[in-house]
Amino acid sequence: RKEVEQDPGPFNVPEGATVAFNCTYSNSASQSFFWYRQDCRKEPKLLMSVYSSGNEDGRFTAQLNRASQYISLLIRDSKLSDSATYLCVVNMGDDKIIFGKGTRLHILP
Amino acid sequence: DTEVTQTPKHLVMGMTNKKSLKCEQHMGHRAMYWYKQKAKKPPELMFVYSYEKLSINESVPSRFSPECPNSSLLNLHLHALQPEDSALYLCASSSVKGPDEAFFGQGTRLTVV
Repeated sequence: RKEVEQDPGPFNVPEGATVAFNCTYSNSASQSFFWYRQDCRKEPKLLMSVYSSGNEDGRFTAQLNRASQYISLLIRDSKLSDSATYLCVVNMGDDKIIFGKGTRLHILP
Repeated sequence: DTEVTQTPKHLVMGMTNKKSLKCEQHMGHRAMYWYKQKAKKPPELMFVYSYEKLSINESVPSRFSPECPNSSLLNLHLHALQPEDSALYLCASSSVKGPDEAFFGQGTRLTVV
């Protein structure tokens, strides 16, 4: 089993739609969890950290289920500017930060 | 200052050259990372330094040699690279304690000819 697995992409959704990404991780001792966004030919940038209690930042909601080793990201009212690759990132402990393969999102006008 | 600075931004080198990539951060982060990213692939972890000591080497070929001269600097020395080593090399840092998200530099786009 891969250390961090994500939904395959690409996701092509119309502007204004809601889109959800899922991610699973293999190491139950993993310490912290993140969603990063990466635009073409740019470095990854932190979108949000993910907590067991769930956290929301505007149109973005992230959720962590430790029992199922599952992370999710929900984007509501999607905008054209949301088009990017979304990377699930897990700190497995001992400073080992591992990326999922990423899910490419295209928002269609 | 929440920046990780990488130099150079672009590098073209021959297979017999020796070059170095540099990374600098002044956030007091004690963990620093090198990642390699090929086109349309996620970043792949290469090395991790924690408190200036190499803590993780993900079976990277010896033609890549990391160095951490001090807590703010991270280098990647390159020697006898192959064309398939052409990629975006990303440096990142994170705090060992507290919020531990990684901050990335803009990367060095390396082409081996």
